[in-house]
Amino acid sequence: SQTIHQWPATLVQPVGSPLSLECTVEGTSNPNLYWYRQAAGRGLQLLFYSVGIGQISSEVPQNLSASRPQDRQFILSSKKLLLSDSGFYLCAWSKGSGNTIYFGEGSWLTVV
Amino acid sequence: DAKTTQPPSMDCAEGRAANLPCNHSTISGNEYVYWYRQIHSQGPQYIIHGLKNNETNEMASLIITEDRKSSTLILPHATLRDTAVYYCIVRVDGSWGKLQFGAGTQVVVTP
Repeated sequence: SQTIHQWPATLVQPVGSPLSLECTVEGTSNPNLYWYRQAAGRGLQLLFYSVGIGQISSEVPQNLSASRPQDRQFILSSKKLLLSDSGFYLCAWSKGSGNTIYFGEGSWLTVV
Repeated sequence: DAKTTQPPSMDCAEGRAANLPCNHSTISGNEYVYWYRQIHSQGPQYIIHGLKNNETNEMASLIITEDRKSSTLILPHATLRDTAVYYCIVRVDGSWGKLQFGAGTQVVVTP
């Protein structure tokens, strides 16, 4: 069966510090991968998606970037965090563009 | 993607069936109905989805009306671990990762 893991689960970072959230998927090949941010009001915002290694599409301009160095690995990064980057970040995957999307456990980021 | 309307909260007794309604009156013919749930501070968990026909899996059943303007998620025997926010969304096949979660229904299962 397929599994998805992301880490760290929680982190507190000072303003201006770098960020790296990692996500891996097991049990499947060539998945579509996604990074979301979930706001306090539970709205879900798609940040990035990837259909293959090195292929990243950005949905909204922001202080964040994403990379896919391996088929089943997706990384969310920032060079300098802003207070507004605080939130709940979710990695997700699907097999194909229209298929069911499965989410990871989520990562709570607090920028102080 | 069409919008959905769900009641804000619902209580259910442990062991009883929980019936969660969802209205999606503007749904298009190529939009699927998906259900997810989210336990506090965890990622959303996929439950079930359907297009026209009723669906059942190990977690729940999905009943879609003939006109597809509403649906009901049925948890046949609710347990305390089913306490969560349940989201009904509609999604076009091939719409990539764009999901619109509304406010959902907060379900509380009581002993």
